[in-house]
Amino acid sequence: AQKVTQAQTEISVVEKEDVTLDCVYETRDTTYYLFWYKQPPSGELVFLIRRNSFDEQNEISGRYSWNFQKSTSSFNFTITASQVVDSAVYFCALSEAADSNYQLIWGAGTKLIIKP
Amino acid sequence: ETGVTQTPRHLVMGMTNKKSLKCEQHLGHNAMYWYKQSAKKPLELMFVYSLEERVENNSVPSRFSPECPNSSHLFLHLHTLQPEDSALYLCASSQDFKGNTEAFFGQGTRLTVV
Repeated sequence: AQKVTQAQTEISVVEKEDVTLDCVYETRDTTYYLFWYKQPPSGELVFLIRRNSFDEQNEISGRYSWNFQKSTSSFNFTITASQVVDSAVYFCALSEAADSNYQLIWGAGTKLIIKP
Repeated sequence: ETGVTQTPRHLVMGMTNKKSLKCEQHLGHNAMYWYKQSAKKPLELMFVYSLEERVENNSVPSRFSPECPNSSHLFLHLHTLQPEDSALYLCASSQDFKGNTEAFFGQGTRLTVV
């Protein structure tokens, strides 16, 4: 069964703190893709990153970094020196290459609140 | 500017009304999607169109009827909806409908059925 778990429903931190959003996935496929999206209050989901199952290198983009660990089936997202503008709901998602019908399996999302 | 535009942003309709949601993408993508986002539920994929042909229909009730006249436009026709259909409806597009391409989303239509 395919599944994406974001165990943290809501996280609240004070500005400038570092924060990590957890994502754990389940898949039987050896080729799959993992995604993170951000949904600000305006509503649209904004693509942040895509990672394929064969690339375990960690990714850093400015204050954002992602830690992909196949051994623990996790794809965690860290925001360094958080800012109020980072407040949003963050979604982790999975798709499998074997799924010809293209089904993104979404986590339930983590609401991140950054207090000034 | 995300490149995917949805109208209207908000819609209130009665259960006997007929309305349509519109989505337009200016990204030259070949695949378009409708998602439903309800409170405290994961995002639900409703329909997928690739090159104007429907490739996915996730057992969506017939009161939702999609239409894709060309690769840039996608509609969701609504009729005789139920209060539980109230949700945020998101349109998205991607280069193709293979699972390895990222999707770009519109801001959504907040639908309230009364």
